[in-house]
Amino acid sequence: AAGVIQSPRHLIKEKRETATLKCYPIPRHDTVYWYQQGPGQDPQFLISFYEKMQSDKGSIPDRFSAQQFSDYHSELNMSSLELGDSALYFCASSPDRGHLNEQFFGPGTRLTVL
Amino acid sequence: KNEVEQSPQNLTAQEGEFITINCSYSVGISALHWLQQHPGGGIVSLFMLSSGKKKHGRLIATINIQEKHSSLHITASHPRDSAVYICAVPNTDKLIFGTGTRLQVFP
Repeated sequence: AAGVIQSPRHLIKEKRETATLKCYPIPRHDTVYWYQQGPGQDPQFLISFYEKMQSDKGSIPDRFSAQQFSDYHSELNMSSLELGDSALYFCASSPDRGHLNEQFFGPGTRLTVL
Repeated sequence: KNEVEQSPQNLTAQEGEFITINCSYSVGISALHWLQQHPGGGIVSLFMLSSGKKKHGRLIATINIQEKHSSLHITASHPRDSAVYICAVPNTDKLIFGTGTRLQVFP
């Protein structure tokens, strides 16, 4: 069965550079969530999209932006990267919004900022 | 105080032992998720449950909504069960994660 795809899987950037992380949800899933997991930390919610519109926003820095496209894939754009942005970035998809929908996680993108 | 707390934080076991991981939460929820994260980092959804009990292979998850408590049990544990087990609850629809329980099962 198709799973959530994230690319790239690993990314190394320098401080002040920009990065774009991509997430391809499971087919027919219209809801995408982005989470950030710092070293030794639990994942923290960043932002979510439903039907191409932002549906919820968490602790996402102003330097980050995201969008969901017409094919439901989502991109997380990160600018002016800081050392503290080094983390594992997970995308999850769900067939619909709501409490009772299971979220399916991608393998994550490991971002290292030098 | 975290909204989702797990215990223990670290757990070691011998192969074959019965494992229990506990999760308590302070928010009202309609469902709770148990997730598994392997050393490589990927997260796998094990269970989503809103009442009672669910079983999948050697894994059993229970929830008591009134007491705001859930448990994850692993029967006949195996070294390949070594991972971090995370309990997560929805807030609107985004997930709030517990701090995780790091399980190591030795042969």
